Amino acid sequence: NAGVTQTPKFQVLKTGQSMTLQCAQDMNHNSMYWYRQDPGMGLRLIYYSASEGTTDKGEVPNGYNVSRLNKREFSLRLESAAPSQTSVYFCASSDTGLLLAGEQFFGPGTRLTVL
Amino acid sequence: QKEVEQNSGPLSVPEGAIASLNCTYSDRVSQSFFWYRQYSGKSPELIMSIYSNGDKEDGRFTAQLNKASQYVSLLIRDSQPSDSATYLCAVSREDSSYKLIFGSGTRLLVRP
Repeated sequence: NAGVTQTPKFQVLKTGQSMTLQCAQDMNHNSMYWYRQDPGMGLRLIYYSASEGTTDKGEVPNGYNVSRLNKREFSLRLESAAPSQTSVYFCASSDTGLLLAGEQFFGPGTRLTVL
Repeated sequence: QKEVEQNSGPLSVPEGAIASLNCTYSDRVSQSFFWYRQYSGKSPELIMSIYSNGDKEDGRFTAQLNKASQYVSLLIRDSQPSDSATYLCAVSREDSSYKLIFGSGTRLLVRP
């Protein structure tokens, strides 16, 4: 039982390059989330998927796209990376229900640097 | 005004003392409240959740919620050096229950 896994762990991109961050969970959770964490800013929600087949924008969606591939997998794509997207990216998952949705389990994170 | 506010710290306490971490939130319709612990270079980990006014205890941790005053706190009794971490407060609203709003965190340092 691996919980939430993310790949890659580290990535360096040049401005304008594209990449996809992968996330998978084996807890049979319906909801999945992508956050970014910057120093002094806390965690900010980029996109989330309340259930398989649905995705919605969070607080900071510009410059990103997501795909909920199936119940287990939720990917985040940067189409044209910018230095402002240098950050640590966390994927999380949770069960559904009004109360359970806040009890989120996080992956280990991807540390992305855009030069 | 940020939706969820925390003092960034660091909050420094001696080993064995009680550490008190505070969080205020601006949206009165906030319904559920959570404390996450994040060690340096690691991912956040849920340690407490609280949904109604009052206290909730789990081992050395006590979460306190006061909806009228719009604050939630976390007390850590008998603090240990291993408790040194950043503590993130998060809230969710009744109208968007799948989304958490996080504070920027309070860094706790427990001195041996």
